[in-house]
Amino acid sequence: DAGVTQSPTHLIKTRGQHVTLRCSPISGHKSVSWYQQVLGQGPQFIFQYYEKEERGRGNFPDRFSARQFPNYSSELNVNALLLGDSALYLCASSLYAASSYNSPLHFGNGTRLTVT
Amino acid sequence: AQRVTQPEKLLSVFKGAPVELKCNYSYSGSPELFWYVQYSRQRLQLLLRHISRESIKGFTADLNKGETSFHLKKPFAQEEDSAMYYCARGSQGNLIFGKGTKLSVKP
Repeated sequence: DAGVTQSPTHLIKTRGQHVTLRCSPISGHKSVSWYQQVLGQGPQFIFQYYEKEERGRGNFPDRFSARQFPNYSSELNVNALLLGDSALYLCASSLYAASSYNSPLHFGNGTRLTVT
Repeated sequence: AQRVTQPEKLLSVFKGAPVELKCNYSYSGSPELFWYVQYSRQRLQLLLRHISRESIKGFTADLNKGETSFHLKKPFAQEEDSAMYYCARGSQGNLIFGKGTKLSVKP
């Protein structure tokens, strides 16, 4: 049973560039969430999408955007990269709206983004 | 702002000793609370949920509303329990995570 898959696994970008990260949820899961994990911290919520609509947004600047496709896969886009955007970006999927007891989050392995 | 606090960055115990990983949350009604675990080179995965009152891999966690705590406990730690543990609470459709506690179980 395939879990949540993310690509690429690692990425190195230069300040000012943009990046697109991709995520495929577990089959049957309709919700995808994105989290940023900076070294030494817990994951921090960026976006949640459910049935292709944005259902939640964390405290991140407008340089961060995302979308969900009809097949429920998702992309996270970050424009005008800053050094501080260097982090592990986690995608998580769930059956319904994220974080409910009956619909827990299942995480991918993440994309390690390094901005130089 | 809602917060989840894990006061210990690192907890080191010997095999067979009891272990308690602390978690406190900011009060807000009836919280949805979770423990997630990340073993070395593996993805973050759900360990247990408050609502189910389950015991997974010998771990239990009890919600104490008076102390706003959701500590994770295991009576006899095993070396394979060594991992990063994150406490999290549900909030408007997403999760708020603590900073995590690294548990090291020594032989």
